[in-house]
Amino acid sequence: NAGVMQNPRHLVRRRGQEARLRCSPMKGHSHVYWYRQLPEEGLKFMVYLQKENIIDESGMPKERFSAEFPKEGPSILRIQQVVRGDSAAYFCASGKGGSGSNEQFFGPGTRLTVL
Amino acid sequence: EDQVTQSPEALRLQEGESSSLNCSYTVSGLRGLFWYRQDPGKGPEFLFTLYSAGEEKEKERLKATLTKKESFLHITAPKPEDSATYLCAVPTRGNTPLVFGKGTRLSVIA
Repeated sequence: NAGVMQNPRHLVRRRGQEARLRCSPMKGHSHVYWYRQLPEEGLKFMVYLQKENIIDESGMPKERFSAEFPKEGPSILRIQQVVRGDSAAYFCASGKGGSGSNEQFFGPGTRLTVL
Repeated sequence: EDQVTQSPEALRLQEGESSSLNCSYTVSGLRGLFWYRQDPGKGPEFLFTLYSAGEEKEKERLKATLTKKESFLHITAPKPEDSATYLCAVPTRGNTPLVFGKGTRLSVIA
């Protein structure tokens, strides 16, 4: 399966704990995007990364949230000291990048529930 | 500010009853318009990219068209398996993030 992979698919955390969400892009894709979908709301951009670089983090809260895409391994979205308002579906998308090719393909998402 | 507005919010069709979904956008320098399908509990599934006014793309019962200010997703003779939320999105600049509309929830009744 050459699609975008995310794990875990479901994650339950208590308030104050840390959540780590992982994303492996499609083969041949070097651009990763994280989006959040709150109930009854649309998908909202959070952060855009290439290998070892954060390109745009304008949609990510400055407190408690961080993201990385190391040279080896998956991209990780980390949420520290989770609060109930962080409960949402988090989607990762990947793309090839480069001029003329800006299509993004999404993974199945991680559904985070904060108790 | 770049915006994407989809209408209607929800659409209920009888099987075989054709219709269209609308996506209007305001963005400076369009670099593509994307249509996705999202089933409950799943990630968005890529359908089409349109890059220039007048362009059309088709896939099975779906056809997407693009003008300078809006895009339409035409559904011809829909079946119950076409029931899903259809999302429209535009990139704000270059390869960077997509701005999504809130989607149209389509229900096709047998």
